[in-house]
Amino acid sequence: EIVLTQSPATLSLSPGERATLSCRASQTVGSYLVWYQQKPGQAPRLLIYDAFNRATGIPARFSGSGSGTDFTLTISSLEPEDFAVYYCQQRSNWPLTFGGGTRVEIK
Amino acid sequence: EVQLLESGGGLVQPGGSLRLSCAASRFSFSSYAMRWVRQAPGKGLEWVSAISGGGGTTYYADSVKGRFTISRDNSKNTLYLQMNNLRAEDTALYYCAKMDTALGYGMDVWGQGTTVTVSS
Repeated sequence: EIVLTQSPATLSLSPGERATLSCRASQTVGSYLVWYQQKPGQAPRLLIYDAFNRATGIPARFSGSGSGTDFTLTISSLEPEDFAVYYCQQRSNWPLTFGGGTRVEIK
Repeated sequence: EVQLLESGGGLVQPGGSLRLSCAASRFSFSSYAMRWVRQAPGKGLEWVSAISGGGGTTYYADSVKGRFTISRDNSKNTLYLQMNNLRAEDTALYYCAKMDTALGYGMDVWGQGTTVTVSS
């Protein structure tokens, strides 16, 4: 099973600041990495697929990068609605696995 | 609007069974693989099971293999998860999600979830 480790667990930032979230895989997943956003009481929302492609309707301030075992989700300038939990997920191998999540909170 | 609506959750004793349903609307259901993902209270996301569009291929997390069965009825646009021999650790909010190969096999549509509580 591929283990995804997200860091940091919590990121405390102010609106307008840049957020950098990390996801590291225990073995290579190629570019088969997806990012989701989840707000309290809501289902997850697809943000990024295949490491760097924005899903439909996702603002350009969200960007993904990386390949192999190291991936990054960057939010260039935090908007109030971006404070949420972010999960990475790999689809390279079965079973599909998620990272433990990074909470982006208001400082 | 494309929609998924889960139902069937509830309180069940350890060792009991439940069947979850996920009704799909406003998309070509049989054209898409589907997944179940769960979230224990206050915890992260855990993939549970997946099924191909035609229903012939299924996958399970090790934690549920042999106890849960995923299936679909494309004539009814409905996805199912039969859960047997439930354990306390199966307590979670269960989401169904549509997988789109055009979006890197990402899950682009999610239901609101149905809660399963396993307790005596």
